[in-house]
Amino acid sequence: GENVEQHPSTLSVQEGDSAVIKCTYSDSASNYFPWYKQELGKRPQLIIDIRSNVGEKKDQRIAVTLNKTAKHFSLHITETQPEDSAVYFCAASMGAGTALIFGKGTTLSVSS
Amino acid sequence: ETGVTQTPRHLVMGMTNKKSLKCEQHLGHNAMYWYKQSAKKPLELMFVYSLEERVENNSVPSRFSPECPNSSHLFLHLHTLQPEDSALYLCASSQARLNTEAFFGQGTRLTVV
Repeated sequence: GENVEQHPSTLSVQEGDSAVIKCTYSDSASNYFPWYKQELGKRPQLIIDIRSNVGEKKDQRIAVTLNKTAKHFSLHITETQPEDSAVYFCAASMGAGTALIFGKGTTLSVSS
Repeated sequence: ETGVTQTPRHLVMGMTNKKSLKCEQHLGHNAMYWYKQSAKKPLELMFVYSLEERVENNSVPSRFSPECPNSSHLFLHLHTLQPEDSALYLCASSQARLNTEAFFGQGTRLTVV
């Protein structure tokens, strides 16, 4: 089955800096890659996703890149703010009706 | 609100008890999932129901028993649990025929004593 590795497990940055979180996946059949943000005591919520027919997607301060050949994808957050502090999870799935397999999460801390 | 509701929000149970977790979604989805979230572990997939049929059982011990009576409701029946089963149990739903995001409930914080 699919296996998703995520790095780093913790990331501390200064406000205004950029943050990058990287994930790799094992199954080349995976074609959907969402990123979730989970604030303390809250449910995971989707922040951005990318499908295998796209190499990059951007939404304001966040962007995701996908390298299908290398089977890795990354989350980029620019101009970080304290409210970006949370746990971020990457995930992969193999298509409609299949479950998301998650990475272990990255705890991002943004200090002002 | 995401439209996925879980009850109870918190549950403390003894190792000999039997309890059930409930999940309800109002999004018109037809796939539902149970995930377990422990400290220092990823979101671990437990069960998948797609179109009310269980399509995946991720090597979960038999002391956890899922039930999906219809596409809007999902249960997780618990019996003779162990302290290491203490965790946050998250329900999620998605649209089975589309490759789209899963929406999560708030979770049930389970403590086994």
